[in-house]
This record gives sequence, structure tokens and C-alpha cells, in this order.
Amino acid sequence: ETGVTQTPRHLVMGMTNKKSLKCEQHLGHNAMYWYKQSAKKPLELMFVYSLEERVENNSVPSRFSPECPNSSHLFLHLHTLQPEDSALYLCASSDNLAGTYNEQFFGPGTRLTVL
Amino acid sequence: GNSVTQMEGPVTLSEEAFLTINCTYTATGYPSLFWYVQYPGEGLQLLLKATKADDKGSNKGFEATYRKETTSFHLEKGSVQVSDSAVYFCALWGNEKLTFGTGTRLTIIP
Repeated sequence: ETGVTQTPRHLVMGMTNKKSLKCEQHLGHNAMYWYKQSAKKPLELMFVYSLEERVENNSVPSRFSPECPNSSHLFLHLHTLQPEDSALYLCASSDNLAGTYNEQFFGPGTRLTVL
Repeated sequence: GNSVTQMEGPVTLSEEAFLTINCTYTATGYPSLFWYVQYPGEGLQLLLKATKADDKGSNKGFEATYRKETTSFHLEKGSVQVSDSAVYFCALWGNEKLTFGTGTRLTIIP
């Protein structure tokens, strides 16, 4: 595997289910990101992890819970979601050199549908 | 805060047509500017970038010039191909994060 991979690619869940999205990067990066992509809205940055510590949480509801067990893996745990949470969830990774732009490399995303 | 505004799509063009996708931004300081492309079923990929005023980013026949006076970074290509069909995102780097526009879906018909 190369680059950034995400599983599953598609997920349908009910509002009472609990599921997890997985992201893995094979680029040797030490920063990872979760974004939400909804139709006709800008990409929304949800969480940022740098060196396995969460450094940003953009007022995301607590029904979304990230986990970064090591610099190569990132999870997004989902529980009691709402239909408006249906979207494409993108993972990205980059180097984490502060004060400069570090190109982010994106995975293909997980298309989530909440019924 | 920072923001990016890009033209709403969808945009449909015939092959070999000239493409312009407009992008303007609001930011403090001197942001770096980017165009990302998302092909069907794939994640976003960096297409080109410019880090200071009057810089021109270019890649795969696409170009964009960083215009500080008009706070713009319009994407252009002289002759589009069917393989250019994708969603294009304008973005800026500032305050230690990327801020994206809404994306413009481009469809090229043979």
C-alpha cells in the first residue's frame, strides 16, 4: 500500500449504531487530519494530530471521537450520529514542521450515510 | 478569519475549450495559495501552488497567478481534455491551517 488509505470506502449506519473509520498513511508523516466534505460547503477541518497529540478540535460534536494510536494510524469513532452527518470524510497526512506549509496528502475518503 | 470564495459549478465545457475557474480570498498577512483537484473516487491532490505575490503556479497545463491587488488566484487552462473532469478546490495556507473553497465540479465533454 502506498500513500493514504481509508476504510471502509462506503458506510451506511443507523442513528443508534457505533462504527469507526480507519485511516493509514505510508508516507512517514507525523501529522494527520480529519476533514468533512459536504456538498456545496468548504472542506471542514475536524481534527488535527501532530506527533500523536491532538492539536486542533474545531468545535466538533462529541458524537465524533478521534483516536491516533501511532503516527501511521488515525481513527474516527462514530456514535449516535444524525442524518446531517452524512458526508465524505477525508483523512490527510503531512510533515509537521511548524511555521511553514507542509503539503497534505489525502486519502480517497469514506462516504458515510446516516439513516 | 480566512476564507476562500470560488465560482459555483458545475462547469461544463467541450474538449479543447479554454477554462477559467475564479477564486478570491480573504486573509490576514501573506498566505500561500493552492489549487487541489479531486478526481472521481479519489482524494484531493495538490495541483499547483504559489507562495508570494505575482508568483505563477503551473502543472499539467494549468496555471494560476497570485494577485495580491485583487486577492485572486484564478485557475486557467488553454485547452481542456476529457481527463480534466474533476472537482477543483482553491485553498490558502494561513494561521497554520488550510482553508478551502467549496469546490467547482468541471465536466469536459468530447
